[in-house]
Amino acid sequence: GAVVSQHPSRVICKSGTSVKIECRSLDFQATTMFWYRQFPKKSLMLMATSNEGSKATYEQGVEKDKFLINHASLTLSTLTVTSAHPEDSSFYICSALRTRDQPQHFGDGTRLSIL
Amino acid sequence: EDKVVQSPLSLVVHEGDTVTLNCSYEVTNFRSLLWYKQEKKAPTFLFMLTSSGIEKKSGRLSSILDKKELFSILNITATQTGDSAVYLCADTGAGSYQLTFGKGTKLSVIP
Repeated sequence: GAVVSQHPSRVICKSGTSVKIECRSLDFQATTMFWYRQFPKKSLMLMATSNEGSKATYEQGVEKDKFLINHASLTLSTLTVTSAHPEDSSFYICSALRTRDQPQHFGDGTRLSIL
Repeated sequence: EDKVVQSPLSLVVHEGDTVTLNCSYEVTNFRSLLWYKQEKKAPTFLFMLTSSGIEKKSGRLSSILDKKELFSILNITATQTGDSAVYLCADTGAGSYQLTFGKGTKLSVIP
């Protein structure tokens, strides 16, 4: 089955640090990757949609300069949280889509804690 | 506006019980409805439904879609403690392949 790898799984760092999260599709080429954020006991909220070789599409209210997305290849997308602050602490999850008629498959998520 | 409502929000059952989780949706130009299971990490895919009345099964889990009533159910028979998780329902519209998630149903199966 489809496998999506997300790294790192846990990050703890000081306020002001920039944090990069990687999302890789291991056994398929992903036409599109998605980045979600999940608060405790809440559902997933889509942050942005990322297509290989083009700029990401951000959802309303998501700062594109704060959450930089790079989709360098059909198997890799990265999310960089720039100058992170405690309010950026959250669970960030990526997903990858092989084709539009197939389900999204999710990575294991990255728990980010900003002190 | 795309909207997905799940019920109940939480459920506690004993091992061996059968449970039914509900999902209603409103989306322009419906494309598909999906069920995911989320334990401590990210969601794992269970089912993708596009046609009304066709039940999909995987072991003790099954799901069916009613496009007329804009409704789907997820059934779990002979529940086990390993079924304890949050079950998420999501839909997609024809104009987009983005998922809109419901708030989830937290299922707790006690021995």
